[in-house]
Amino acid sequence: AQKVTQAQTEISVVEKEDVTLDCVYETRDTTYYLFWYKQPPSGELVFLIRRNSFDEQNEISGRYSWNFQKSTSSFNFTITASQVVDSAVYFCALLLGDSGAGSYQLTFGKGTKLSVIP
Amino acid sequence: NAGVMQNPRHLVRRRGQEARLRCSPMKGHSHVYWYRQLPEEGLKFMVYLQKENIIDESGMPKERFSAEFPKEGPSILRIQQVVRGDSAAYFCASSPYSPPSGNTIYFGEGSWLTVV
Repeated sequence: AQKVTQAQTEISVVEKEDVTLDCVYETRDTTYYLFWYKQPPSGELVFLIRRNSFDEQNEISGRYSWNFQKSTSSFNFTITASQVVDSAVYFCALLLGDSGAGSYQLTFGKGTKLSVIP
Repeated sequence: NAGVMQNPRHLVRRRGQEARLRCSPMKGHSHVYWYRQLPEEGLKFMVYLQKENIIDESGMPKERFSAEFPKEGPSILRIQQVVRGDSAAYFCASSPYSPPSGNTIYFGEGSWLTVV
């Protein structure tokens, strides 16, 4: 069965610091998709990124970057020059690419609560 | 706003009452999912629906919970005879394509149910 582990339960950083949120996943499938979602204090779940298992290129979007490494089964998320508005719970999730329940059931990690202190 | 729309955002029910949560998927999306976020348990899959069909309800509690996605109108998650343990955030999500293609799954703002 698949699993997503976010070992960091809570992180606090001072504004403008860089911060990396770790995500380690487990699956025996060769085709899968990895997601990051942000849940700000207002509660909604905001989609940040989707990455497929065949694309190991790192991605950068503004202050956000993602490092996907299949060798270590990790999909880490870095926020550069953090801001107070980045304070939220961040979830990593896994979706399998083969047919069956795993292809539409997201498996979520427990989330990492990030607090950015002004 | 073309996102996934959920209502009500907050709902308070007394034990034994019924709760109905509604979800309108993103425009053009015909696949709807419901997830529940319980304290300390994280987000868990409940049910996957397409128009007029329940594809997978393996994550739904066996009793009191039901879901539908009619031909017209929003998807409804219905909880009968609510108990305190049903207090949670219920998220609806939608996607444009049939699995197993690489869907991007978009979530709504969630409905927070409090049972008193």
